[in-house]
Amino acid sequence: AQSVSQHNHHVILSEAASLELGCNYSYGGTVNLFWYVQYPGQHLQLLLKYFSGDPLVKGIKGFEAEFIKSKFSFNLRKPSVQWSDTAEYFCAVKGNNRLAFGKGNQVVVIP
Amino acid sequence: NAGVTQTPKFQVLKTGQSMTLQCAQDMNHEYMSWYRQDPGMGLRLIHYSVGAGITDQGEVPNGYNVSRSTTEDFPLRLLSAAPSQTSVYFCASRVGQLSAGELFFGEGSRLTVL
Repeated sequence: AQSVSQHNHHVILSEAASLELGCNYSYGGTVNLFWYVQYPGQHLQLLLKYFSGDPLVKGIKGFEAEFIKSKFSFNLRKPSVQWSDTAEYFCAVKGNNRLAFGKGNQVVVIP
Repeated sequence: NAGVTQTPKFQVLKTGQSMTLQCAQDMNHEYMSWYRQDPGMGLRLIHYSVGAGITDQGEVPNGYNVSRSTTEDFPLRLLSAAPSQTSVYFCASRVGQLSAGELFFGEGSRLTVL
């Protein structure tokens, strides 16, 4: 079964700083890739997803992610964060009909 | 559109008690699943169902039972609660097991076992 690695579990940064969260997975076959966001006290919501085509995916709220097949990575980026981006971010990988989540990145944006 | 509805939102149990977490979706999704979320552990799959009458174990099934008598409902049962089952539980659904579509999550149920 595939596994998903997210590094730097806790990230603290100031407003307007750039954010990049790494996601690496272990499955070698065809994958579908997702980033979910969980705002404080809320349920998980889809931020963006990659199925095929352009490896640079744009999601909601100015987030984007790049699929690099050779590196088994799907890193999430935002050029300039806001206080409202404080949340936990989860990478998820679907391969061989199984969906696996990473352990999440807790992001705190300081005003 | 209600989406995925979970009840209760909060529950406190004593060790050994039993309870059922309810989950209902109104999107006619074939695939439904239960996750538990623990700090630093991410989401771990407990059980899932690919359609009415079909259930299967996920990553951490011990101590939990499920059934799927209808497309809409997928309850999670704790037969004899243990403190290790203190967690936040999320129900999620998707169009189908083979679908590449996103998971839709419920609001979560926070369970504390004393």
